[in-house]
Amino acid sequence: EPEVTQTPSHQVTQMGQEVILRCVPISNHLYFYWYRQILGQKVEFLVSFYNNEISEKSEIFDDQFSVERPDGSNFTLKIRSTKLEDSAMYFCASEGSSGVQETQYFGPGTRLLVL
Amino acid sequence: DAKTTQPNSMESNEEEPVHLPCNHSTISGTDYIHWYRQLPSQGPEYVIHGLTSNVNNRMASLAIAEDRKSSTLILHRATLRDAAVYYCILRYLSGNTPLVFGKGTRLSVIA
Repeated sequence: EPEVTQTPSHQVTQMGQEVILRCVPISNHLYFYWYRQILGQKVEFLVSFYNNEISEKSEIFDDQFSVERPDGSNFTLKIRSTKLEDSAMYFCASEGSSGVQETQYFGPGTRLLVL
Repeated sequence: DAKTTQPNSMESNEEEPVHLPCNHSTISGTDYIHWYRQLPSQGPEYVIHGLTSNVNNRMASLAIAEDRKSSTLILHRATLRDAAVYYCILRYLSGNTPLVFGKGTRLSVIA
């Protein structure tokens, strides 16, 4: 069965450093999402992406964040200058586009720790 | 976003049925009811969804109240692998929109 993959599984970085989290969505999907989950808290939406542009973003997704689909397969989330509060699990999800109620498929996540 | 209310936690014995309730009294006519679950240390996973009629798939059944203000996810025979947080989520008709997760119900399964 097709699956969403994410790399790295774990990332430790120093505050102020840039990180790039990578995702490979399911190949024929057209909608892509990033969510995050701070330890012990809810899964929170960050951003959705369709047709090479952001379609929706939350208040969390400020100027420090950016997303890109550089090569038609990878979908990346960049945090320019990490803060301690960016420590969380980051989940990528992808979805088809039949126009009816689709299913979002989530990756296993990247655990980001900012020191 | 339309709001859902779920119990914080539930417990079940292995091999017994589990009924996970969800209240969504402000649901609109264009909202679908989705259920996802999150196993420990994993990403969320789709379980089932429906609009008005009850739905069955290989994982579970979804029973939707006639007025659509509540629904129940039914696991017919709970296994230890079903221990997870279960989320009831309302999603607008057109789909391709972000999922709004609440706190969900943490299901514990006892051997």
